[in-house]
Amino acid sequence: GQQLNQSPQSMFIQEGEDVSMNCTSSSIFNTWLWYKQDPGEGPVLLIALYKAGELTSNGRLTAQFGITRKDSFLNISASIPSDVGIYFCAGQLMTGGADGLTFGKGTHLIIQP
Amino acid sequence: EPEVTQTPSHQVTQMGQEVILRCVPISNHLYFYWYRQILGQKVEFLVSFYNNEISEKSEIFDDQFSVERPDGSNFTLKIRSTKLEDSAMYFCASKWGGYEQYFGPGTRLTVT
Repeated sequence: GQQLNQSPQSMFIQEGEDVSMNCTSSSIFNTWLWYKQDPGEGPVLLIALYKAGELTSNGRLTAQFGITRKDSFLNISASIPSDVGIYFCAGQLMTGGADGLTFGKGTHLIIQP
Repeated sequence: EPEVTQTPSHQVTQMGQEVILRCVPISNHLYFYWYRQILGQKVEFLVSFYNNEISEKSEIFDDQFSVERPDGSNFTLKIRSTKLEDSAMYFCASKWGGYEQYFGPGTRLTVT
């Protein structure tokens, strides 16, 4: 099956710093999604990307769908304590299809005081 | 804001027992999914359901698993004979059409 390589595995940053994480795949995905998961809770959708090259923002979050359709990145600007959590990228082969999402292993964001 | 709900939040069962996990997807959504997440690992796709039938299933979704939409609002996952390795968080998700999947808060299944 498809595999998503997500990096870094964890990040230790200071409040106010910018954060960048990315996902790469050997396969093409037609939709990329970024989710955040807090401990004991379900993934919460942050940003969805549908077109190669697309750059989308949601507040302090910016994500891009790579032009080759095999990668995506997520940036968080001016991090705040509530940004702590695990961030997952997820890809879907078919936009509009019933196929399930393939998830990366997550980036654990820790903000040091 | 509409959201996916799941019950129970935590289920403890003995090995070999049957469990049913329940989900109420967002009301106008058409596609329904089950995923699982073993502690500390990534989220893994189990099955998708559309138009009252399974659309796609992963290798994890073997004969021990089944899904059902018994009425217009509920979507269930049944595990017939639980094994220790079935212990995980199980997430239900739904989407309206081609786009974003929204996840429920999960059911933590503990098999002893």
